[in-house]
Amino acid sequence: NAGVMQNPRHLVRRRGQEARLRCSPMKGHSHVYWYRQLPEEGLKFMVYLQKENIIDESGMPKERFSAEFPKEGPSILRIQQVVRGDSAAYFCASSPVEIQGQQYFGPGTRLTVT
Amino acid sequence: EDKVVQSPLSLVVHEGDTVTLNCSYEVTNFRSLLWYKQEKKAPTFLFMLTSSGIEKKSGRLSSILDKKELFSILNITATQTGDSAVYLCAVPWGDDKIIFGKGTRLHILP
Repeated sequence: NAGVMQNPRHLVRRRGQEARLRCSPMKGHSHVYWYRQLPEEGLKFMVYLQKENIIDESGMPKERFSAEFPKEGPSILRIQQVVRGDSAAYFCASSPVEIQGQQYFGPGTRLTVT
Repeated sequence: EDKVVQSPLSLVVHEGDTVTLNCSYEVTNFRSLLWYKQEKKAPTFLFMLTSSGIEKKSGRLSSILDKKELFSILNITATQTGDSAVYLCAVPWGDDKIIFGKGTRLHILP
């Protein structure tokens, strides 16, 4: 059973470009969470999705960031018009049930904005 | 405001030493506390604690929760260089979030 997969592992974007980060949850998992880890800071919750539904996006910046988890295919975290402050590691986690269950993390995507 | 605070933020010890990492929390409707180990990749799950005073062990790692004093400790005995990592404490909050502490960066010297 493959774990949570994220791609790309490393992404370099120039300021103003768009970044698309993909996350495929573990087989059988229908809950996906995105986290951002800034240098020297802890993991911060961004958004919680189930298939075709955004359940909680209270941790998402109001502008430029969006997320989706379509019926088919991976979950996508999209950052438009990236700025240097968006440089971070973005982790996706999935779980089969509610959050009290163990979350399984993907390897992360390291975004660098130049 | 709900929060999770870890201490120390960084720690350097010699191989063979024992370390204790601390995590205190203030979270409404507390249900469980999680410990993760993060090396140069994704966090990996270590322990889930729900009951006070019951120690969980996995090899040289152990952890315990005190729900009265609102803290948990993670102990690592006979440390090895492979234990060098960031150790994250996290508390599920509400129905769908986890609040993470900033982590303790542990470095084991050979």
